[in-house]
Amino acid sequence: AQRVTQPEKLLSVFKGAPVELKCNYSYSGSPELFWYVQYSRQRLQLLLRHISRESIKGFTADLNKGETSFHLKKPFAQEEDSAMYYCALIRGGYNKLIFGAGTRLAVHP
Amino acid sequence: ETGVTQSPTHLIKTRGQQVTLRCSSQSGHNTVSWYQQALGQGPQFIFQYYREEENGRGNFPPRFSGLQFPNYSSELNVNALELDDSALYLCASSHPGESTDTQYFGPGTRLTVL
Repeated sequence: AQRVTQPEKLLSVFKGAPVELKCNYSYSGSPELFWYVQYSRQRLQLLLRHISRESIKGFTADLNKGETSFHLKKPFAQEEDSAMYYCALIRGGYNKLIFGAGTRLAVHP
Repeated sequence: ETGVTQSPTHLIKTRGQQVTLRCSSQSGHNTVSWYQQALGQGPQFIFQYYREEENGRGNFPPRFSGLQFPNYSSELNVNALELDDSALYLCASSHPGESTDTQYFGPGTRLTVL
């Protein structure tokens, strides 16, 4: 069965520190991986997807098939990055998102 | 362009009752997915509708049912409510023609079952 694991419920860092939000998945095929973000009082929104290989708001994520991981990274955290982050996958050809439990990122001044 | 909207925002029901939640898709989107998000958890897929037909279902019992209308708006119906149905219900719309799998979420309906 497909599963997404985010081992940290809370990640607390100071402004300017590097951030790495961990995500591991289990899926035997070739999944598509995503990071969704939910800022306070806002709706869930797509942050980035692995096939785009882009950097959004300074965040990047690399799919490591060997380690079945898709960690989200940012070299210098900003206070406005404080939010709930969800890693998710879709099995190819089936538009059903499978989410992890989420990690709350708190960036302190 | 209008985003995904959901109604009502909040709802309180008692055990055994029935509830209907509504979702209006983003303009031009013909696919709607529903998710249940319990407190402290990530969203869980309930089902998806594409052009008024169910197009996939998660591990939810038959008392969770849905509809999609010709204008692509959608309803989620839950019968015989249980306490564990208390959650945030999210709908998300997408269009297979565009960057496929990008789902746009609504703000959610918070359901409390007493």
